[in-house]
Amino acid sequence: NAGVTQTPKFRVLKTGQSMTLLCAQDMNHEYMYWYRQDPGMGLRLIHYSVGEGTTAKGEVPDGYNVSRLKKQNFLLGLESAAPSQTSVYFCASSSHRAGSYNEQFFGPGTRLTVL
Amino acid sequence: SQQGEEDPQALSIQEGENATMNCSYKTSINNLQWYRQNSGRGLVHLILIRSNEREKHSGRLRVTLDTSKKSSSLLITASRAADTASYFCATGGVGDDKIIFGKGTRLHILP
Repeated sequence: NAGVTQTPKFRVLKTGQSMTLLCAQDMNHEYMYWYRQDPGMGLRLIHYSVGEGTTAKGEVPDGYNVSRLKKQNFLLGLESAAPSQTSVYFCASSSHRAGSYNEQFFGPGTRLTVL
Repeated sequence: SQQGEEDPQALSIQEGENATMNCSYKTSINNLQWYRQNSGRGLVHLILIRSNEREKHSGRLRVTLDTSKKSSSLLITASRAADTASYFCATGGVGDDKIIFGKGTRLHILP
């Protein structure tokens, strides 16, 4: 099993460009999450999904969109990138909701720089 | 917010010593989890403790939870160089779809 994979690993964008980050998991998990990690800020939840075809906003959703068309994939889109979106992005998945004593499995991260 | 706050922010100890880091949170929780992050990598789940548990062990890890004080501690015994990493606590409430992470403790094990 590959677990949780993220594509790409690194990306440099210019302000105003768009891009899509792909997260894939092969554990048949229902729940998937996108976080961003900035120095000294820990992990902040951007958007999440509780199943195929569903999405919900997290703590810092502005400037991002997501889609979960297939259970195994969770896409994070930046329509018009801004320097404030320079960060490391992590995807995670879990089999059940957080309140059901479930751990999250993380991908290796995508390092995004917006110039 | 029930975000956990780790203390200290950074910790350096000699190899072989024990490392203790703490997490405080603000609201009632269903469970508290600890994760490790090696430099440049994704987070790895270490241990989960339920709100009705007071202590849990896993190898060299010992986690305690005091719901009356809304705090938890992670003890790593006989530290090794490979334990150098950032450690995050994360809390989940009943019925929550998501967990909330703290800002982490950076642990450095000195040779």
